[in-house]
Amino acid sequence: SQELEQSPQSLIVQEGKNLTINCTSSKTLYGLYWYKQKYGEGLIFLMMLQKGGEEKSHEKITAKLDEKKQQSSLHITASQPSHAGIYLCGAVSGAQKLVFGQGTRLTINP
Amino acid sequence: NAGVTQTPKFQVLKTGQSMTLQCAQDMNHEYMSWYRQDPGMGLRLIHYSVGAGITDQGEVPNGYNVSRSTTEDFPLRLLSAAPSQTSVYFCASRHGGNTIYFGEGSWLTVV
Repeated sequence: SQELEQSPQSLIVQEGKNLTINCTSSKTLYGLYWYKQKYGEGLIFLMMLQKGGEEKSHEKITAKLDEKKQQSSLHITASQPSHAGIYLCGAVSGAQKLVFGQGTRLTINP
Repeated sequence: NAGVTQTPKFQVLKTGQSMTLQCAQDMNHEYMSWYRQDPGMGLRLIHYSVGAGITDQGEVPNGYNVSRSTTEDFPLRLLSAAPSQTSVYFCASRHGGNTIYFGEGSWLTVV
């Protein structure tokens, strides 16, 4: 079955710094979802990438999908305290199962 | 259009008790699934369904049952609760390759 590996698992950055979170799949990616979760709360949809080479941006967050590398990256520019939380990538496997990575816990220090 | 509705939001159970987490969606989505999220971990798939009458196991199905008698509802049953099932549970639905909609989560504690 498809597995998603996120790196790093935990990240602490200074406010204003840029950062990147990676999501690597054990199988070909046909679509990739990025979600954010505030501690103790539900999940917030960020972006969905469906095509190789696709890149989407929302405010200061940009996500790319590299099908050849079976990888997606999430980049945050000029991080703010509001960016803190857990970032999760998810993908649909061949059996239509929707699986997620283990999450990346992001802390922003003022 | 209420999206995905999960109930209850909080529940405390004693070991050995049974309960059902309810999940309902009003978007006519074929795909529904249940996940659990433990501290420091991502979402792990418990069971999923690709349509009414069809269910299948995910990564961590032991101790849980599901059924999908209608398109709208996908209840998750804990037959005999164990402390290891203390977790946050999320229900999700989607249509085709579109956005996944999540419920707000159910916080379950088994003592």
